[in-house]
Amino acid sequence: AQTVTQSQPEMSVQEAETVTLSCTYDTSESDYYLFWYKQPPSRQMILVIRQEAYKQQNATENRFSVNFQKAAKSFSLKISDSQLGDAAMYFCAYRRSGGGADGLTFGKGTHLIIQP
Amino acid sequence: DGGITQSPKYLFRKEGQNVTLSCEQNLNHDAMYWYRQDPGQGLRLIYYSQIVNDFQKGDIAEGYSVSREKKESFPLTVTSAQKNPTAFYLCASSILLGAGELFFGEGSRLTVL
Repeated sequence: AQTVTQSQPEMSVQEAETVTLSCTYDTSESDYYLFWYKQPPSRQMILVIRQEAYKQQNATENRFSVNFQKAAKSFSLKISDSQLGDAAMYFCAYRRSGGGADGLTFGKGTHLIIQP
Repeated sequence: DGGITQSPKYLFRKEGQNVTLSCEQNLNHDAMYWYRQDPGQGLRLIYYSQIVNDFQKGDIAEGYSVSREKKESFPLTVTSAQKNPTAFYLCASSILLGAGELFFGEGSRLTVL
């Protein structure tokens, strides 16, 4: 079974600074997908960024980028120019390819605090 | 607008009662999911369904039941057999193939009194 580990229960960063959230995963598959979701206080889950394992290029979405290290099974999220609205729980998630209808496997989350 | 609607948002239940949480989607997605969220535990999969009239147990299915009579609907019943039902419940849907992300509803908070 796949597992996803987020080793940082909580992180704090000053507004406008850069922060990196860590995620490691365990799988025997070679093709899969990785995601970062954001859950603000409203508790609505919002997709931040997605990475296909077969792509070597790291995904980027505006201020959000990932560092995907397939051999190390590591998938960290970097948030640049942190804003107050970035404060939330962040979840790393894994989905197997080939019609992964059994959904996503989530890590336990990292609570990100933005200091004004 | 397309999306997923969960109801009710808040629900209180007495011990020994069954309750049903509603989940409706108009995204034309084949797959639907129920997750449970507890503090410090992340999201854990309860049940999922790929097609009408078919569903599969997830990691923590004991004490829960579901049905999938329509593509758009995937209600979750929390039965009296669930030992610790107080939690936040999230419904999601997705396409079946490829890198389909999960789209989530706004969640339902169940409290057992």
